[in-house]
Amino acid sequence: EPEVTQTPSHQVTQMGQEVILRCVPISNHLYFYWYRQILGQKVEFLVSFYNNEISEKSEIFDDQFSVERPDGSNFTLKIRSTKLEDSAMYFCASSAQGKETQYFGPGTRLLVL
Amino acid sequence: QKEVEQDPGPLSVPEGAIVSLNCTYSNSAFQYFMWYRQYSRKGPELLMYTYSSGNKEDGRFTAQVDKSSKYISLFIRDSQPSDSATYLCAMRAGNTPLVFGKGTRLSVIA
Repeated sequence: EPEVTQTPSHQVTQMGQEVILRCVPISNHLYFYWYRQILGQKVEFLVSFYNNEISEKSEIFDDQFSVERPDGSNFTLKIRSTKLEDSAMYFCASSAQGKETQYFGPGTRLLVL
Repeated sequence: QKEVEQDPGPLSVPEGAIVSLNCTYSNSAFQYFMWYRQYSRKGPELLMYTYSSGNKEDGRFTAQVDKSSKYISLFIRDSQPSDSATYLCAMRAGNTPLVFGKGTRLSVIA
């Protein structure tokens, strides 16, 4: 069964460093998403991406964040200058159509020291 | 009022019990309702997907949506220890981002 994959599974970084989280969505899906989950809290929407551009973003997704689909398979989330409060699980998701079900990857656990 | 409310539990039941998990919501525009299961430190795994009101059954799982009451439920019959996880409700209005509940932690005791 097709699945969303994410790398790395864990990332430890120093405050102020840049990190790139990578995702490979399900191959025939057209809509891509990033969510995050701070330990013990809700899964929160960050950004959605369709047709090579951001379709929606939340208040969390400020200028420190960017997304890119550098080739036909990868979808990346970049955090330019990490803060302690960026420590969370980051989930990538994809869906075939905008109104269809979103399938989630296993997540990247980011720890900012 | 929070957009989606879900009792975080924990909920502990004996093996074989019927489990009832619930969420309430405030946004009447929500049309698509999902239940995800999340094992510790893993990604949410889709269990059930329902559009608008009504019931949907899949094996031991039944999802119910009551839009008039803004209330959704997930029932698990013949619960197993492998069902022990956190169950997240999620919903959205049309082509909009998913809004999640906080999740209910379920333990099924053998």
